[in-house]
Amino acid sequence: KQEVTQIPAALSVPEGENLVLNCSFTDSAIYNLQWFRQDPGKGLTSLLLIQSSQREQTSGRLNASLDKSSGRSTLYIAASQPGDSATYLCAASNYGGSQGNLIFGKGTKLSVKP
Amino acid sequence: DGGITQSPKYLFRKEGQNVTLSCEQNLNHDAMYWYRQDPGQGLRLIYYSQIVNDFQKGDIAEGYSVSREKKESFPLTVTSAQKNPTAFYLCASSTGQLYGYTFGSGTRLTVV
Repeated sequence: KQEVTQIPAALSVPEGENLVLNCSFTDSAIYNLQWFRQDPGKGLTSLLLIQSSQREQTSGRLNASLDKSSGRSTLYIAASQPGDSATYLCAASNYGGSQGNLIFGKGTKLSVKP
Repeated sequence: DGGITQSPKYLFRKEGQNVTLSCEQNLNHDAMYWYRQDPGQGLRLIYYSQIVNDFQKGDIAEGYSVSREKKESFPLTVTSAQKNPTAFYLCASSTGQLYGYTFGSGTRLTVV
């Protein structure tokens, strides 16, 4: 059974710093991996989607990588800003099952201090 | 603009009462999902539907029911059999596994 882990659970950095959020998964037979952002009391906003055949995806200051062999994905945020403060969730979708098998990590709560 | 609309934003339920959470999408997505989010536990799948008039149980379906009579709508009923319904409920949709998921803004349900 797929398990997704995000470490650390919380991270605080000063504004302007580059940072990396980590996501690990136990079953390398993933179809894709998606990163989301969640603001307090709000829904999830999709940030990046990486297919199993891809190594990375980029959007603005965000870059997500995928290494299936090691069971890891990272979300790199460049030049962090206070507006980046939120909880970041990764979720893995597996092959061979129904579409109801998006497995989430518990998230990393990011705080960017001005 | 296309998207997913969840209503209401806040909902209060009395003991022994059934309540229904609404989820509507205008993205023309075939698949729709309901997740429950509790502090420190991450998101857990309640029910999902890949096509109209068909739905499947997720990991924590007990005490919940759904219907999928229209492509655009996937309402979730929290029944009195759900003993701990206080949580944040998120609805999502997808046009296929290749394209990822789109989420609504959530409904916070509280038992009073």
